[in-house]
Amino acid sequence: SQQGEEDPQALSIQEGENATMNCSYKTSINNLQWYRQNSGRGLVHLILIRSNEREKHSGRLRVTLDTSKKSSSLLITASRAADTASYFCATRSGGSYIPTFGRGTSLIVHP
Amino acid sequence: ETGVTQTPRHLVMGMTNKKSLKCEQHLGHNAMYWYKQSAKKPLELMFVYSLEERVENNSVPSRFSPECPNSSHLFLHLHTLQPEDSALYLCASSQGPATSPETQYFGPGTRLLVL
Repeated sequence: SQQGEEDPQALSIQEGENATMNCSYKTSINNLQWYRQNSGRGLVHLILIRSNEREKHSGRLRVTLDTSKKSSSLLITASRAADTASYFCATRSGGSYIPTFGRGTSLIVHP
Repeated sequence: ETGVTQTPRHLVMGMTNKKSLKCEQHLGHNAMYWYKQSAKKPLELMFVYSLEERVENNSVPSRFSPECPNSSHLFLHLHTLQPEDSALYLCASSQGPATSPETQYFGPGTRLLVL
């Protein structure tokens, strides 16, 4: 089934550094979304990028989409300890309105 | 707060117990979802309701029984669970199948432990 797979599985950085996470998927998509999950909590929507878009920004977040490589990246600039969380990509394809999630990237930002 | 609430937040139950998880959304959405999140696994979609009708049931064991009495409320009834059913159960809502893109709003989850 269509599924985004995040890479790396875990990422540990120092406060102030940039964090880059990647998502790869298998089939054509309508859009791709990134979500964030703090430990033991629900997911929070961060940003959506459509299949005809290549880059989007939201505050310290930058998302790129390369449909030829079937991949997306999420860049968090000037990271903060509060950015510590798991980050998931979710893809929608075909006529389905139901997104499919990957395993996520666990980000730890050390103060 | 995302506008989606779940109760209880934590639940410990024996394998012979019957319990229910409750989800309520205050966003006027038409679609609601149950997900299971286990460690090191992708988020597993369990059930989808659209306009109070079940539209997806991903081969979930019958010991999980969903109920959607109206578009704002969703229940997950649990009975004779197994220890491997221990997980974080997440409820989500979205505007509905007629709307694109589909951003989901998640509740905080119910942490379930089956002994």
